[in-house]
Amino acid sequence: EAGVAQSPRYKIIEKRQSVAFWCNPISGHATLYWYQQILGQGPKLLIQFQNNGVVDDSQLPKDRFSAERLKGVDSTLKIQPAKLEDSAVYLCASSLDFANTGELFFGEGSRLTVL
Amino acid sequence: QQQVKQSPQSLIVQKGGISIINCAYENTAFDYFPWYQQFPGKGPALLIAIRPDVSEKKEGRFTISFNKSAKQFSLHIMDSQPGDSATYFCAASSNGANNLFFGTGTRLTVIP
Repeated sequence: EAGVAQSPRYKIIEKRQSVAFWCNPISGHATLYWYQQILGQGPKLLIQFQNNGVVDDSQLPKDRFSAERLKGVDSTLKIQPAKLEDSAVYLCASSLDFANTGELFFGEGSRLTVL
Repeated sequence: QQQVKQSPQSLIVQKGGISIINCAYENTAFDYFPWYQQFPGKGPALLIAIRPDVSEKKEGRFTISFNKSAKQFSLHIMDSQPGDSATYFCAASSNGANNLFFGTGTRLTVIP
């Protein structure tokens, strides 16, 4: 079974530029998450989708971050304009039935460096 | 605010020793407590998990101990091996939330 796919793996941009990350979850997983992992910290939830609807985006800095999951499969996370403090690894995760399995499956992440 | 507090930040253990990582939480609505293991350049992966109806869960060399009254839980790695060297995250979730709050992580190094 293929895992969660993310791209690009690495991205370096100047502050105030924009960047987009792509995620393809495990086939059949209805729930998709974007987490931000700053160096030395645990992952922090940015946004959670159930199919193509947003379940929780309370921690998403909406003035600069946006995310979509138009067809209930792939998702993109965009940052515009980027700030220095956005340097982090952006992890995408998916879940088939978290309420019963309690398991999130993570991709390898997209590492963003903002200069 | 940090929903789950984890310690220590880093841990060095000799091969064959016991590694112990501790976590504490405040939200009494939490009812699911997993541990995730993360190797460099990889995403976290579920290692072991417990629900508060039991005080201990063991899977191979990995054991979770859970103290509901103290709102604390810990991961014990018996007979630690160099291959266990990774960052470990505790996490918590409440019924219906369908997402996880992670601790700050513990970098474990097992010396051969």
